[in-house]
Amino acid sequence: GAGVSQSPSNKVTEKGKDVELRCDPISGHTALYWYRQSLGQGLEFLIYFQGNSAPDKSGLPSDRFSAERTGGSVSTLTIQRTQQEDSAVYLCASSPRQGLETQYFGPGTRLLVL
Amino acid sequence: GDSVTQMEGPVTLSEEAFLTINCTYTATGYPSLFWYVQYPGEGLQLLLKATKADDKGSNKGFEATYRKETTSFHLEKGSVQVSDSAVYFCALSDTGTASKLTFGTGTRLQVTL
Repeated sequence: GAGVSQSPSNKVTEKGKDVELRCDPISGHTALYWYRQSLGQGLEFLIYFQGNSAPDKSGLPSDRFSAERTGGSVSTLTIQRTQQEDSAVYLCASSPRQGLETQYFGPGTRLLVL
Repeated sequence: GDSVTQMEGPVTLSEEAFLTINCTYTATGYPSLFWYVQYPGEGLQLLLKATKADDKGSNKGFEATYRKETTSFHLEKGSVQVSDSAVYFCALSDTGTASKLTFGTGTRLQVTL
């Protein structure tokens, strides 16, 4: 079946602009995660959604970052007033449920802030 | 908090050589341990996992044993191939942290003929 998909695959933006990154999880997966992969910080957790529960936002680096998940499926990560240090690959993952299930990763969105 | 430490790369080996990539962890609960692999130009893929002490995860000739006494999960392969060239990430998921993954910094492996 289809895996996790993300769009766009690449995004170039100017400093100060807002960007939206999209994630389509595997159908039926109730848990969805966002991670960021950058040269300076490695792979770091950003936010986690599980069903209708309040999301775990503990990894968001600043209040410029927000995410939502509509209808328990598609998720959008929004970065407002982008900064150069936001340049990274943003990865989305999904798993069947909360717990110790395997997370399946999408191909990522490569964001470059000029 | 939770953390994962893995050996820095790059690691360069000749084909058919033995591979070890060290990984140690600290965690507050009873974590599951994972190795993910990222091939050039591709996304992260799960390579293997172990969910409790003394479990051995294995896949594609790679193995790793969950050692609680040494808090380690070293990755091994008896004979590497050029196609194994990739970046390998050790990670843990702690029962107390909603299953979010904590990753090591990654180890780049390059296998030459």
